[in-house]
Amino acid sequence: GESVGLHLPTLSVQEGDNSIINCAYSNSASDYFIWYKQESGKGPQFIIDIRSNMDKRQGQRVTVLLNKTVKHLSLQIAATQPGDSAVYFCAENISGGYQKVTFGTGTKLQVIP
Amino acid sequence: KAGVTQTPRYLIKTRGQQVTLSCSPISGHRSVSWYQQTPGQGLQFLFEYFSETQRNKGNFPGRFSGRQFSNSRSEMNVSTLELGDSALYLCASSLGETGFDEAFFGQGTRLTVV
Repeated sequence: GESVGLHLPTLSVQEGDNSIINCAYSNSASDYFIWYKQESGKGPQFIIDIRSNMDKRQGQRVTVLLNKTVKHLSLQIAATQPGDSAVYFCAENISGGYQKVTFGTGTKLQVIP
Repeated sequence: KAGVTQTPRYLIKTRGQQVTLSCSPISGHRSVSWYQQTPGQGLQFLFEYFSETQRNKGNFPGRFSGRQFSNSRSEMNVSTLELGDSALYLCASSLGETGFDEAFFGQGTRLTVV
């Protein structure tokens, strides 16, 4: 079936460095993509989203890149901080206008002080 | 503005029992989605309600059901609990008018089946 997957299960980065978390998706009909951050004991927290008519979107210290040709999504975190340590999920919203988000398996980001 | 509230936070049930979980969405949000999160399967979509109607359903057995009330609060029920139902159950609310709504998640209900 359709799925969203992540390339790296764990990513360790030095504090202050930039982090890049990658994600592959398989549903070419998906038109909305979201990155979530989940800290231990908490629900997922929205970070940034992007629609399929865009290639890049920037937020505060975060950038999402979408490559529809190869069905690839990435999240870039600039100047990674200890508070960025969490599990990051990419997700796609199946078209149809309703909330039916499909999540990837997640990447654990560990920030080394 | 209050966030998404899920109750209870923790629950222990015996195999074969049934359980009801509650979710209160952000005021003004009409869409409530439910997800199951396990270490092995990750986050999986259960169902989504909008204005008391189920609009979408994931691939879960009929033991999993839900409903939404006129005030947008939602409940999900799991009957005849199995050990494999142990998971973190998350609900998310959004405005629900389009497919591009940002969804806000609650803290989840940790269900343990023994």
